[in-house]
Amino acid sequence: GAVVSQHPSWVICKSGTSVKIECRSLDFQATTMFWYRQFPKQSLMLMATSNEGSKATYEQGVEKDKFLINHASLTLSTLTVTSAHPEDSSFYICSASRGTSGNNEQFFGPGTRLTVL
Amino acid sequence: TQLLEQSPQFLSIQEGENLTVYCNSSSVFSSLQWYRQEPGEGPVLLVTVVTGGEVKKLKRLTFQFGDARKDSSLHITAAQPGDTGLYLCAGQQFYNTDKLIFGTGTRLQVFP
Repeated sequence: GAVVSQHPSWVICKSGTSVKIECRSLDFQATTMFWYRQFPKQSLMLMATSNEGSKATYEQGVEKDKFLINHASLTLSTLTVTSAHPEDSSFYICSASRGTSGNNEQFFGPGTRLTVL
Repeated sequence: TQLLEQSPQFLSIQEGENLTVYCNSSSVFSSLQWYRQEPGEGPVLLVTVVTGGEVKKLKRLTFQFGDARKDSSLHITAAQPGDTGLYLCAGQQFYNTDKLIFGTGTRLQVFP
């Protein structure tokens, strides 16, 4: 149990276009989902935290108008990179938490590699 | 500012050797987790430690949480090529246990 999927697994787009990445919890309801970005040979950096039905909380330095997050249901969160530029190329990873009392373990998706040409 | 510093950054060893990875912070954490990540994949949870001084063993891996809950270590005995990967510690702080703060990472390469 506790499987998280991401789609697509990789995407290549032209500079200036928008890209949507989906994160789904397949066998549990996720009250909270997290979006991370990982540059080559670096660690994971939290971008934002989203709770179902409410606005996402963005980390300092992350542009909320550029990285649009929607958490419309308990099993789906989407990250849209708007007007993508080559510097947005990165590995984007989501995680999901059941958020139950005493158990807020995060289950990670397999990641989405974004390349902006 | 990175709250969790890992050392070493890179480690390249021969199969059968032992190694220790350190995760240090000036902050106190309610719990600390260790993950392993392979290229092109998401991180996979290895262990969670929650009590200061706690030691947990997972086959050839031994994890320790510092008494003051500010640091942790991962010791691997008789490393194997299958241990190759990026090892990440991640902490949860008392005032926001939902959020994970990841360490800087240690890239381990074990040669046969």
